Amino acid sequence: QKEVEQDPGPLSVPEGAIVSLNCTYSNSAFQYFMWYRQYSRKGPELLMYTYSSGNKEDGRFTAQVDKSSKYISLFIRDSQPSDSATYLCATEMNRDDKIIFGKGTRLHILP
Amino acid sequence: DGGITQSPKYLFRKEGQNVTLSCEQNLNHDAMYWYRQDPGQGLRLIYYSQIVNDFQKGDIAEGYSVSREKKESFPLTVTSAQKNPTAFYLCASMDTEAFFGQGTRLTVV
Repeated sequence: QKEVEQDPGPLSVPEGAIVSLNCTYSNSAFQYFMWYRQYSRKGPELLMYTYSSGNKEDGRFTAQVDKSSKYISLFIRDSQPSDSATYLCATEMNRDDKIIFGKGTRLHILP
Repeated sequence: DGGITQSPKYLFRKEGQNVTLSCEQNLNHDAMYWYRQDPGQGLRLIYYSQIVNDFQKGDIAEGYSVSREKKESFPLTVTSAQKNPTAFYLCASMDTEAFFGQGTRLTVV
């Protein structure tokens, strides 16, 4: 079983819809969870960083962590064509550890 | 501006040739990482360094080498032993989260 599982997509949704992106992880020792956005031919950029279970909101983005289920989610409200990108989930056990990435989900927002 | 810089953006390698990818950061981060990204594969860790003059192999280190003589610099050499080097290479430096460069696209010709 891979440490972090993520559906590669592609996921296509109409503009304005709520997008739900998800990952599962296998090791309960993971404590820190991140979402990165990567545009084509660019380096990933950090969107959200969470530590505890629960929700964290930043503008149109909400990151959700359920440690009991080992499940992490990213919700995008009022999706825009500019949100079209690959979204990577990531996790680490401790702050100084290497980060484990999911394979990324390609998202297309249709105008 | 603080950041992480990779060069060149595009690189072409002939069969049997070694090439070196540059990665420089001015974020004062101790940890630096090299990833390889292939379509549908996500990010795979090649090498990482958590302090100057020390580095560890990642999941796919064969055919690659690195050095960490300065805190700011973590160059990656793709050797002729790497049989399938065509890929997008990403360098990152980390504090509590990873900051990535814009990548180098390496193509074997």
